[in-house]
Amino acid sequence: GAVVSQHPSWVICKSGTSVKIECRSLDFQATTMFWYRQFPKQSLMLMATSNEGSKATYEQGVEKDKFLINHASLTLSTLTVTSAHPEDSSFYICSARDSGVIYNEQFFGPGTRLTVL
Amino acid sequence: DAKTTQPPSMDCAEGRAANLPCNHSTISGNEYVYWYRQIHSQGPQYIIHGLKNNETNEMASLIITEDRKSSTLILPHATLRDTAVYYCIVTLNYGGSQGNLIFGKGTKLSVKP
Repeated sequence: GAVVSQHPSWVICKSGTSVKIECRSLDFQATTMFWYRQFPKQSLMLMATSNEGSKATYEQGVEKDKFLINHASLTLSTLTVTSAHPEDSSFYICSARDSGVIYNEQFFGPGTRLTVL
Repeated sequence: DAKTTQPPSMDCAEGRAANLPCNHSTISGNEYVYWYRQIHSQGPQYIIHGLKNNETNEMASLIITEDRKSSTLILPHATLRDTAVYYCIVTLNYGGSQGNLIFGKGTKLSVKP
């Protein structure tokens, strides 16, 4: 089956630093990838839609200058949390939609747990 | 906001069928019903989707009422590994923002030995 990986699986950083999270589709091409955030005991919240070769589309209330998204190839999207603060601590999950299928199944990565001290 | 309503939690005995309901009374004619589940601290996993006909795959069955205002996900023989939060999502079946997955609170299914 289709596999999506994320790296790193967890990261701890100091307040004010930037953190980059990678999302890769391992055995399929993904024109579209998605970034979600999940706080403890809450549901997933869509942050942005990442389209290969174009600018990401951010959901309302998500700061595009703080959460930089780059989708430079059909198998890789990156999310950079700039100037991270403790309130950015969360579980970040990416997903990818297979460009070769017509339905809306998304394949999710295992998530990245970010802790900002 | 999510377009679906699900019970917050359910219990099921191991080996029994788990029937998870979902209400989507405002579903439009071209929207599909998708089911995903999330095991603790992992990314969500696709289970099944359907438009109006009942669907079955190796994981589960999806029963959609004739008026499409509700559906039921059936895990025929629940195991302990099926303990997870199950999300029912209504969305369009193609790209664009209207095809995004909007997760509600889901149903936390606990399978007990």
